[in-house]
Amino acid sequence: KAGVTQTPRYLIKTRGQQVTLSCSPISGHRSVSWYQQTPGQGLQFLFEYFSETQRNKGNFPGRFSGRQFSNSRSEMNVSTLELGDSALYLCASSQGQGDQPQHFGDGTRLSIL
Amino acid sequence: GESVGLHLPTLSVQEGDNSIINCAYSNSASDYFIWYKQESGKGPQFIIDIRSNMDKRQGQRVTVLLNKTVKHLSLQIAATQPGDSAVYFCAENGYNQGGKLIFGQGTELSVKP
Repeated sequence: KAGVTQTPRYLIKTRGQQVTLSCSPISGHRSVSWYQQTPGQGLQFLFEYFSETQRNKGNFPGRFSGRQFSNSRSEMNVSTLELGDSALYLCASSQGQGDQPQHFGDGTRLSIL
Repeated sequence: GESVGLHLPTLSVQEGDNSIINCAYSNSASDYFIWYKQESGKGPQFIIDIRSNMDKRQGQRVTVLLNKTVKHLSLQIAATQPGDSAVYFCAENGYNQGGKLIFGQGTELSVKP
């Protein structure tokens, strides 16, 4: 079974631009969660999508948004990029129950210049 | 964003020794816990999980202990190998929180051959 796939692996953007990251979950998984990882703040939850609906949201500004398609693939978008948005963005998928493990992709490394 | 607030401690062990990695979780209502291993340049990899109705669970060379009284988790790795060198994270999931995991700050394990 293929794992979680995130594209692209690396991105370089400048302040003020916007970016879209993509995540393909494990086949059969209906839940996709997004996390931001930085050295200072660690791994922080952004949001979760289940059956094309946002089910949970973390404490991030509205510049961070996402969506999920009918095939469970998900995208996240960050608008008006700031230097502090430089991070590793991780996507995880699961079958959707709270007591089932999430499986992570290898992330997209976003650098803001 | 939310995160369990721990500085990143380091643990250095000799190959063949047992390792114990500790984690204090934040929410007494959390009912599902996971340990992840993250190697450089990769996403977190699922190791083992435990539900709150258990206090111990064993896997291959790994054991997780849960003490709900003091909100403490530990991961024991038997006969530690150089390939176990990585950062280890605990994560908690509250009841009805779906795909929202709260992560600890991680522990860096270094195994000396």
